[in-house]
Amino acid sequence: DAGVIQSPRHEVTEMGQEVTLRCKPISGHNSLFWYRQTMMRGLELLIYFNNNVPIDDSGMPEDRFSAKMPNASFSTLKIQPSEPRDSAVYFCASRSTSEEETQYFGPGTRLLVL
Amino acid sequence: QKEVEQNSGPLSVPEGAIASLNCTYSDRGSQSFFWYRQYSGKSPELIMSIYSNGDKEDGRFTAQLNKASQYVSLLIRDSQPSDSATYLCAVKNRDDKIIFGKGTRLHILP
Repeated sequence: DAGVIQSPRHEVTEMGQEVTLRCKPISGHNSLFWYRQTMMRGLELLIYFNNNVPIDDSGMPEDRFSAKMPNASFSTLKIQPSEPRDSAVYFCASRSTSEEETQYFGPGTRLLVL
Repeated sequence: QKEVEQNSGPLSVPEGAIASLNCTYSDRGSQSFFWYRQYSGKSPELIMSIYSNGDKEDGRFTAQLNKASQYVSLLIRDSQPSDSATYLCAVKNRDDKIIFGKGTRLHILP
């Protein structure tokens, strides 16, 4: 398996622009997680899905952030409008409940908002 | 606020020595505990999980859990330069959410 796939790997945009991050989980995994990592706050859970259904979005910073999982093989995290404080590395991770809660992380998207 | 605390480091350890990484957590109802390794510019990778009190060994790595003290540790024996990375402690709390510490930077001195 190719592992968790994220795109783009790097994104540079200007404040106010819409940003869409994409994730393809490992085939057969039924849980998907979006994280944000910064030096100041560490690795924070933004939202997670079980069987394509959002379970907990309490980590989503504000209404500018939204996430969708239209099917088992694809998820998006959208920021609209983006702000400089959104600059971070965004990780997607997936998990199969049959694997003792092991989360597999994607390579991340490094976002810079100017 | 359910938290996971780690010393940010850097922790410098001579090659061949034992590196000891520590973590405390606030949610007494937590049942699952994890150690992730993250190389610079890379994504976190799970290296150990532990669910019951005591020690769990896997190769050069030993995870230790003390639920009464709300304390988790990771020992790395015979430290190698390739062990230089940031180590993230993660705890699954009673809300089924995995909370990560900010990580400890480990530097193995050749």
